[in-house]
Amino acid sequence: KQEVTQIPAALSVPEGENLVLNCSFTDSAIYNLQWFRQDPGKGLTSLLLIQSSQREQTSGRLNASLDKSSGRSTLYIAASQPGDSATYLCAARPPNGQNFVFGPGTRLSVLP
Amino acid sequence: GAVVSQHPSWVICKSGTSVKIECRSLDFQATTMFWYRQFPKQSLMLMATSNEGSKATYEQGVEKDKFLINHASLTLSTLTVTSAHPEDSSFYICSAQGTYNSPLHFGNGTRLTVT
Repeated sequence: KQEVTQIPAALSVPEGENLVLNCSFTDSAIYNLQWFRQDPGKGLTSLLLIQSSQREQTSGRLNASLDKSSGRSTLYIAASQPGDSATYLCAARPPNGQNFVFGPGTRLSVLP
Repeated sequence: GAVVSQHPSWVICKSGTSVKIECRSLDFQATTMFWYRQFPKQSLMLMATSNEGSKATYEQGVEKDKFLINHASLTLSTLTVTSAHPEDSSFYICSAQGTYNSPLHFGNGTRLTVT
């Protein structure tokens, strides 16, 4: 059974810093992996989707990498801003038609 | 980008009444929709998966007679909480997906409070 973990659980950084959020999954046989952010009291916003055949995806200041063999994905945020403060979740999709498995999230605070 | 609209964003109801929550994909056809429940400071708990035109698949421990899910079209799924009780108070979120390899898109959630 696929399990997804995220480290750290919470992170606080000063504005302008580059930072990395980690996502680990136990079963390397994934179909794709998606990163989301969730603001308090809101739904999830899709950030990046990486297919199993891809190594990374970029969108603006965000870069997500995928290393299936080691069961890891990282989300890199460059030049962090207070508006980046949110909870970031990763979710792994198994290849056999089963549903996404979500990690518990990393709560990020970017201090002005 | 793809938009999923969830309505209402919040609802307060009395114990024993039923509440319907709608989830619409506005600019794409959603072959699959998912319903989640989220408790404060916790991650998402998948309740059920619905495919257009077929019965929803419920996760273990989720009462299908309590949480009625209908996915009548490729753009609309509804979750009805029947005979609501205070313990049903929670944040409910839907998500929708076009094809299996396309991104998952979420609605903004519904805050349900049962008094």
